[in-house]
Formats: sequence, structure tokens, C-alpha cells
Amino acid sequence: DGGITQSPKYLFRKEGQNVTLSCEQNLNHDAMYWYRQDPGQGLRLIYYSQIVNDFQKGDIAEGYSVSREKKESFPLTVTSAQKNPTAFYLCASSRGRTETQYFGPGTRLLVL
Amino acid sequence: AQTVTQSQPEMSVQEAETVTLSCTYDTSESDYYLFWYKQPPSRQMILVIRQEAYKQQNATENRFSVNFQKAAKSFSLKISDSQLGDAAMYFCAYRSNGGGSNYKLTFGKGTLLTVNP
Repeated sequence: DGGITQSPKYLFRKEGQNVTLSCEQNLNHDAMYWYRQDPGQGLRLIYYSQIVNDFQKGDIAEGYSVSREKKESFPLTVTSAQKNPTAFYLCASSRGRTETQYFGPGTRLLVL
Repeated sequence: AQTVTQSQPEMSVQEAETVTLSCTYDTSESDYYLFWYKQPPSRQMILVIRQEAYKQQNATENRFSVNFQKAAKSFSLKISDSQLGDAAMYFCAYRSNGGGSNYKLTFGKGTLLTVNP
């Protein structure tokens, strides 16, 4: 089955720790995205990537980093510089950046 | 910058009845896409329907249809014959189709739909 997978489903971060959220897709999509969702809010764009080895900052990139070494994978690292990381993180992909975006199941990040 | 407003934080409907969710948006562009996504308790975002701004005809997908009023910048979602499985948070989203920002989805804050048996 084609789709987008995210892991882990739940993730706990300690103070000062970097954590990495995984996003993998087997849809052969070129573009991938990371969004953050806070309670009572819509989604906000963190980073996006149009092709391998290229990525751009979204609206709230501070405290986050990404890489795009493979077409299938777009991991997101939440660094210690992100002071309020508790949120639900959603990964999405699309055939091209102008195509419809499809979402993975999400990762809930909590701070200990 | 584009903004998307969903003025109904919560709505409820009886099973088998019809409900309409409202969405308005602000943009100076003429070429764009509008979307409705559904987020059930599992929290996965599921595409419900999409509308291309240059198409006059309102999009439909089975029990889901939209009323797209481009001049009024309004994009409402109608759910007919509501089912218990329709209960979810519904998000309206906008995406430009021109210029440098046509990758980005701009979301409203959502409407929580409850379906009563």
C-alpha cells in the first residue's frame, strides 16, 4: 500500500535534548512538508522540500532543522533552541509543489 | 498575506441530516485552490474535497459538496445524509497557484462537527 508513515507516534523530549521525527513516503512524491498543530489552531508550515537535497523554511522554522537526502525521507529535528516544542507534528507530501498534499498520521511530541 | 477564517468553532447535526460548514478567505490573487480537510479523532488529516478557483462549477464528492462564491471569497462545505463517521474537526485551507508561495497551505482554525445518533 502506498502512503506516508511517521514515527514514533508519541515522543518525549527532555530539556536541552534534540529529537528527530521520522517521515517516510512510498508515493514517489517529489515534495514533502512538515507542519505543526497546536490545540485550537490550524496547521502551520515549518519546512518544505521540493526535491532531494533542497529545502526551504516555512513560517515557523526557528528551532527546527531538516534534511532531504533521499526522495522517500524527510526527517525533522526539534532542537533545544525550540522553547515550546509540545505540539502535534504532521508530515505531508505531494507529487509537485503545486499538487494536492496528503498527510501522514502524525507524531505527538511532549516535553518532560 | 492570505488568511482563512472559519467562524463556527463547533457545529452539530443529527444523523441523516444535512449540515453546512462556513469558510471565508482573504486574498488578492485570482488563481488559487481551496480545500476541505477532515481530522477525525485519530488526528490524521484526510482530504475531503478541493476546488480550483478558475472553475465555475462547484466541486462534489459523493455526500460532500461545496458552495464556492469567488466574489464573496466564501467556500462552504455541505455534508448531506450525515453519518456518525463524519464526526471530526474540519479544516478549510487555501493554496496559491502562482508566484513564489504556491507550495504553502494556509489553514483556518477548524470547525468541530458532532453527529448525533
